[in-house]
Amino acid sequence: GENVEQHPSTLSVQEGDSAVIKCTYSDSASNYFPWYKQELGKRPQLIIDIRSNVGEKKDQRIAVTLNKTAKHFSLHITETQPEDSAVYFCAASRGGNEKLTFGTGTRLTIIP
Amino acid sequence: DVKVTQSSRYLVKRTGEKVFLECVQDMDHENMFWYRQDPGLGLRLIYFSYDVKMKEKGDIPEGYSVSREKKERFSLILESASTNQTSMYLCASSLLGAGGSNQPQHFGDGTRLSIL
Repeated sequence: GENVEQHPSTLSVQEGDSAVIKCTYSDSASNYFPWYKQELGKRPQLIIDIRSNVGEKKDQRIAVTLNKTAKHFSLHITETQPEDSAVYFCAASRGGNEKLTFGTGTRLTIIP
Repeated sequence: DVKVTQSSRYLVKRTGEKVFLECVQDMDHENMFWYRQDPGLGLRLIYFSYDVKMKEKGDIPEGYSVSREKKERFSLILESASTNQTSMYLCASSLLGAGGSNQPQHFGDGTRLSIL
């Protein structure tokens, strides 16, 4: 089955700097890669996703890149703000009714 | 806006008890999921269902069962609770996308279950 590895497990970044979180996956048939943000005590919420027919996707300060050959994808957050502090999870799926496999999470702390 | 409601935020039970966790979604989603979340382990899938009365095992189904008698409701059952099932349990739902494409999963607030 699919295995998703996520790094780093913790990340501290000065406010205004950029943050990058990386994930690798094992199943070359995976074609859907979402990222979820979970603030303390709250539910995970989708912040961005990418499908395998695209190499990069942006939404304001957030971007995701996908390298299918190397089987890795990354989340980039620019101009970080205190409200970006949360745990971020990557995930991968083959699509359709195939399940999502999640990474183990990255705790991002923005230092004011 | 999608609403996924879990019946309890906090629950305390004793070992050996049969425990029911309930989840209801209001958006007519075909797919529903149960995860457990533990520090350092991320979200691990217990069971999922893509239709009424259908169920599929996830990565860690041992000690759990599920029931989906109605489209909007997905129940997780701990047949005989044990202390190693103390965890945060998250329910999620999603649409079945056109052409079989994945659609975003929407999560409930979670149930923090303690087994004493």
